Amino acid sequence: DGGITQSPKYLFRKEGQNVTLSCEQNLNHDAMYWYRQDPGQGLRLIYYSQIVNDFQKGDIAEGYSVSREKKESFPLTVTSAQKNPTAFYLCASIPRGTGWAGELFFGEGSRLTVL
Amino acid sequence: DQQVKQNSPSLSVQEGRISILNCDYTNSMFDYFLWYKKYPAEGPTFLISISSIKDKNEDGRFTVFLNKSAKHLSLHIVPSQPGDSAVYFCAASFNNNDMRFGAGTRLTVKP
Repeated sequence: DGGITQSPKYLFRKEGQNVTLSCEQNLNHDAMYWYRQDPGQGLRLIYYSQIVNDFQKGDIAEGYSVSREKKESFPLTVTSAQKNPTAFYLCASIPRGTGWAGELFFGEGSRLTVL
Repeated sequence: DQQVKQNSPSLSVQEGRISILNCDYTNSMFDYFLWYKKYPAEGPTFLISISSIKDKNEDGRFTVFLNKSAKHLSLHIVPSQPGDSAVYFCAASFNNNDMRFGAGTRLTVKP
């Protein structure tokens, strides 16, 4: 079945450590996105990529980094520079041509907890 | 800067009755609006959408209403079912460049 796979589902990190969240899709979608969800807040955009080897910062990119070496993969690294990384992270994708005027397909999310 | 607001964090209704979830936005440039449904520990799934050129879109038990002059949209669920219990996010986009989400409303449908 086609879909978006995020791993790990749960992750614990010590302060000062970098951690990478995986996002893989087999939907043949061109654009991929990373969102962060905090209690009482909407989904906030961290980074997005419309095409391989290209990506743009979203509203809250500080302390995060991404890469897009393959169409299927868009990993997110939460660096030690991110001051409050404990959150639920969601990866999403959308086919080319749809732009934002269409529904995003989301993965099941990764919950990161900093100890 | 929250351009999309869902002012009710939670809503509780009886099974079989109508659920009305509300959403307000501030940016008049938004031209497409969507509702997503989210269960715990899962990603949101698309529910229904509406273009700014329409004022109503219906899909089975779900209807979305858009009032552009008031910058307000609402999602009606009739009749509500216990399986509808979830968090509902309102989202808005403009010019194919961005999508903004509200904070979500947790709907509980009691049997």
